Amino acid sequence: KNQVEQSPQSLIILEGKNCTLQCNYTVSPFSNLRWYKQDTGRGPVSLTIMTFSENTKSNGRYTATLDADTKQSSLHITASQLSDSASYICVVSAGTDKLIFGTGTRLQVFP
Amino acid sequence: EAGVAQSPRYKIIEKRQSVAFWCNPISGHATLYWYQQILGQGPKLLIQFQNNGVVDDSQLPKDRFSAERLKGVDSTLKIQPAKLEDSAVYLCASSLAPQGGTQYFGPGTRLTVL
Repeated sequence: KNQVEQSPQSLIILEGKNCTLQCNYTVSPFSNLRWYKQDTGRGPVSLTIMTFSENTKSNGRYTATLDADTKQSSLHITASQLSDSASYICVVSAGTDKLIFGTGTRLQVFP
Repeated sequence: EAGVAQSPRYKIIEKRQSVAFWCNPISGHATLYWYQQILGQGPKLLIQFQNNGVVDDSQLPKDRFSAERLKGVDSTLKIQPAKLEDSAVYLCASSLAPQGGTQYFGPGTRLTVL
């Protein structure tokens, strides 16, 4: 069964600190993996996309890694800001167009 | 470039009533998706259109949910009659191509069924 699991479920950090979110997947056939950021009351916005051959991708203070052997991905946020408070969803594309969504990690950044 | 537009943003109805949501995708995007996102969960695909044809509606509760995209552009999703468990955010997304293409999401419609 295609599945995407994320941890932790929620996370609280202080402004300026770094954090890492985890994503484990069992999806076949694997096409690509995306991290989305979803602000409260808004739709998800794509942060990064990685295919099988890519093991790291950066977007500003966001750096995603992918280990296709262990089927794990992480999203590292550097020097967190209050605006980083959101849910982060790991999404794996199975085959041509089917997306498998994780349940997300709720991040709260406090001053 | 304008994003995916959805309306209304919020809707409160009583159970057994009907409700309709509207979505206008990004211009030129052939593929349109409707998702249901229950609080604390990831989005669940309800239906996927390629132009005005249905590609996947396997998770759409067809006894009460219906969707159409008659002219291959904007789309409506209807619930009739609504149940308490339909309370969720309904997200519309569009992509240029279905094969692993990036999906761009609208702001969603938050539905509360009392």
